[in-house]
Amino acid sequence: GAVVSQHPSRVICKSGTSVKIECRSLDFQATTMFWYRQFPKQSLMLMATSNEGSKATYEQGVEKDKFLINHASLTLSTLTVTSAHPEDSSFYICSASMQGPTVWGEEKLFFGSGTQLSVL
Amino acid sequence: DAKTTQPPSMDCAEGRAANLPCNHSTISGNEYVYWYRQIHSQGPQYIIHGLKNNETNEMASLIITEDRKSSTLILPHATLRDTAVYYCIVRAVSGTYKYIFGTGTRLKVLA
Repeated sequence: GAVVSQHPSRVICKSGTSVKIECRSLDFQATTMFWYRQFPKQSLMLMATSNEGSKATYEQGVEKDKFLINHASLTLSTLTVTSAHPEDSSFYICSASMQGPTVWGEEKLFFGSGTQLSVL
Repeated sequence: DAKTTQPPSMDCAEGRAANLPCNHSTISGNEYVYWYRQIHSQGPQYIIHGLKNNETNEMASLIITEDRKSSTLILPHATLRDTAVYYCIVRAVSGTYKYIFGTGTRLKVLA
């Protein structure tokens, strides 16, 4: 399957600092990328949908000024957690959508390996 | 909100078939059913997806009922490496498409 690379895999930072997480689709172009967060023993929660060249669409309850998403190219999206606080500690996962032979339906979503963020 | 319902956990003996059910009674005609799994502390892995016909690939088979209100993921010969949380997803089509994860089924393959 297609490869989505996510870096860093783990980051520890001090409260008040900003952290940037990168998500790259290595062997395909992704017009749409999704960002999720996951707390221990819980399911993935969609944070935002990111389309190349346009502003991200955030899910209800997700602060867009806190979680800055940039999707500058068809292979790269970044999530910046600004002024991180301990409650932002979580597992962040990106995913990239790969289209299939037809425009509708035959697509697959591939995930990065995740970033464990710990804010002290 | 998630549009699928799955049992929270299941056990399966190694070497036997694992049958994971999913209920998606409100599925629309043009929505696909996707299955992903997540092994501890990793990103989810794509398994299979389908619209209305049964599907099979090297990992699993997907059986979708004729009314499309439920489906079953079949791992034909489960191994210990198949221990994971399995998510059944119906892809939303309101505006931009989104993949909303439900609570999933925690499958434990027993030696």
